[in-house]
Amino acid sequence: QKEVEQNSGPLSVPEGAIASLNCTYSDRVSQSFFWYRQYSGKSPELIMSIYSNGDKEDGRFTAQLNKASQYVSLLIRDSQPSDSATYLCAVNQAGGGNKLTFGTGTQLKVEL
Amino acid sequence: DTGVSQNPRHKITKRGQNVTFRCDPISEHNRLYWYRQTLGQGPEFLTYFQNEAQLEKSRLLSDRFSAERPKGSFSTLEIQRTEQGDSAMYLCASSSTGGGTEAFFGQGTRLTVV
Repeated sequence: QKEVEQNSGPLSVPEGAIASLNCTYSDRVSQSFFWYRQYSGKSPELIMSIYSNGDKEDGRFTAQLNKASQYVSLLIRDSQPSDSATYLCAVNQAGGGNKLTFGTGTQLKVEL
Repeated sequence: DTGVSQNPRHKITKRGQNVTFRCDPISEHNRLYWYRQTLGQGPEFLTYFQNEAQLEKSRLLSDRFSAERPKGSFSTLEIQRTEQGDSAMYLCASSSTGGGTEAFFGQGTRLTVV
């Protein structure tokens, strides 16, 4: 079992719709969770962090964390073509010195 | 401060040659990380420094790889006797000390070994 799992996609949504990206992790003691956006050929860009159960909203983005289910998700409201990218879920395990374990990423395509 | 800076952005080298990459972290960040990313995969952890101390190295980091952060500021990653399998994007990130602190990536160095 991979430590951080994501559906590779592609996930296609129409412009203006809500995109829902999911991630599961295997280490129960994981403490911090991050979503990075990566455009093709570019480096990852941090878009959301979440540390406690529940929802965290930032503009069009909402991160959701459920530690009991070992599940973290990212919702993108009013999806735009510029949101088309690969979204990487990253997990920081306890005592890991902020070392991140990444999933393979979900490719999102927002269609006009 | 303009974020994490990596040089060069691209490097093409012949198999067997040595290469060195440089990373300048965000100035107030004392933690610095190196990751490697291949096509279709997420970044994989290689090593990290807190100030000048190298605190952890991944099993991925073979003896041909060495990293330094001599004065706790910039860092270098050297690959000796490059192999075609070393072709990847090498990413540097930095963060502050403390649990859950966010890490920010540089632009990456894309290495192609021919």
